[in-house]
Amino acid sequence: ETGVTQTPRHLVMGMTNKKSLKCEQHLGHNAMYWYKQSAKKPLELMFVYNFKEQTENNSVPSRFSPECPNSSHLFLHLHTLQPEDSALYLCASTARSLSAGVVTDTQYFGPGTRLTVL
Amino acid sequence: DQQVKQNSPSLSVQEGRISILNCDYTNSMFDYFLWYKKYPAEGPTFLISISSIKDKNEDGRFTVFLNKSAKHLSLHIVPSQPGDSAVYFCAASAGWTSGTYKYIFGTGTRLKVLA
Repeated sequence: ETGVTQTPRHLVMGMTNKKSLKCEQHLGHNAMYWYKQSAKKPLELMFVYNFKEQTENNSVPSRFSPECPNSSHLFLHLHTLQPEDSALYLCASTARSLSAGVVTDTQYFGPGTRLTVL
Repeated sequence: DQQVKQNSPSLSVQEGRISILNCDYTNSMFDYFLWYKKYPAEGPTFLISISSIKDKNEDGRFTVFLNKSAKHLSLHIVPSQPGDSAVYFCAASAGWTSGTYKYIFGTGTRLKVLA
């Protein structure tokens, strides 16, 4: 249990549906991330939010729309997805620490939402 | 172009022996590296990290070695236990961008520890 929760855990949707994925953390972390994990591919960074501001959009198609209303919640709104968007969507938040004079961030992941687009 | 590579998709090791998982990277700007473990139906769990100012970091049974000249890092697990069976991801960061770190992940290595 990392303290990062995601709902729903599984989602099946048609290409014309609109759905949303939710991520929540009450760890006091300021940065939150969306990743996509497809089979046999590395985790692909999608979006990064820092203090509710989007700091990274990794060329993600506009059918994925993130929303970060506060530092504890992150949403991914889905609209007119394609079958190739079927994947595991992971949310993460980061904690900053200082060790031996080096500032480092450690990411804590949620369990993911397994998305299937029909 | 994959900047972080885990060339072994799977590895089997006998219980009690050493497991060595390897990771190679291409970007010389990477200065912080992490290892994550992932069980089925769960998100990745942070395991151990290393900064580029070090060449070794140890935490219990887990040790990460960094060879900057070879752009190579490895995770040693000793002794290996059946509960270590999972997929292991390495990740690298080029530092602080826009107030936070951005990590590049490898494709993972599936470790199976045989009892």
